[in-house]
Amino acid sequence: GDSVTQMEGPVTLSEEAFLTINCTYTATGYPSLFWYVQYPGEGLQLLLKATKADDKGSNKGFEATYRKETTSFHLEKGSVQVSDSAVYFCALRGTYKYIFGTGTRLKVLA
Amino acid sequence: DVKVTQSSRYLVKRTGEKVFLECVQDMDHENMFWYRQDPGLGLRLIYFSYDVKMKEKGDIPEGYSVSREKKERFSLILESASTNQTSMYLCASSSPRRGHGYTFGSGTRLTVV
Repeated sequence: GDSVTQMEGPVTLSEEAFLTINCTYTATGYPSLFWYVQYPGEGLQLLLKATKADDKGSNKGFEATYRKETTSFHLEKGSVQVSDSAVYFCALRGTYKYIFGTGTRLKVLA
Repeated sequence: DVKVTQSSRYLVKRTGEKVFLECVQDMDHENMFWYRQDPGLGLRLIYFSYDVKMKEKGDIPEGYSVSREKKERFSLILESASTNQTSMYLCASSSPRRGHGYTFGSGTRLTVV
């Protein structure tokens, strides 16, 4: 069945460092791919999405490119801020429902 | 601003109580979902619904039921609360159209004592 695998955390970075959080997926057909962010004590918020191969989703300085050849959707940001500290979830939308990764906690130090 | 509203942020209930968690969305979405979130286990789907009065079991439906009498409201019911149901519960809704993401509520942290 469909699945999502993302890198284990926590990831700890200094402010202004480059961020990559890896995400790979297994799915039949052509799923839509998403990144969600969860700040402490909150629900998940949609960060960005891509609906077909080679699409690049972007928002708030974060980017991810839908790579069908490597079945990946890695999240990147060129310069992280303390306010980016949160848990990030990779997800795919399959035929009927969403599949989420287990989440990667990011901690950014000033 | 579109939203999904969960009726309580924090709840404390006793073992054996019947517990209702309410979720309302104002986006006219057909699809609604209930997840629980636990450390190390990520999000696990409990139940979902694609239309009024219909429901489908997710990955962990045992000990739960749901009700969807109106399109905007999706209720999660713990028939007899147990301590292993202490968790963060997240409601979400989405359009069935391809490429649409979820909109999540802020979550209900339930503690069963």
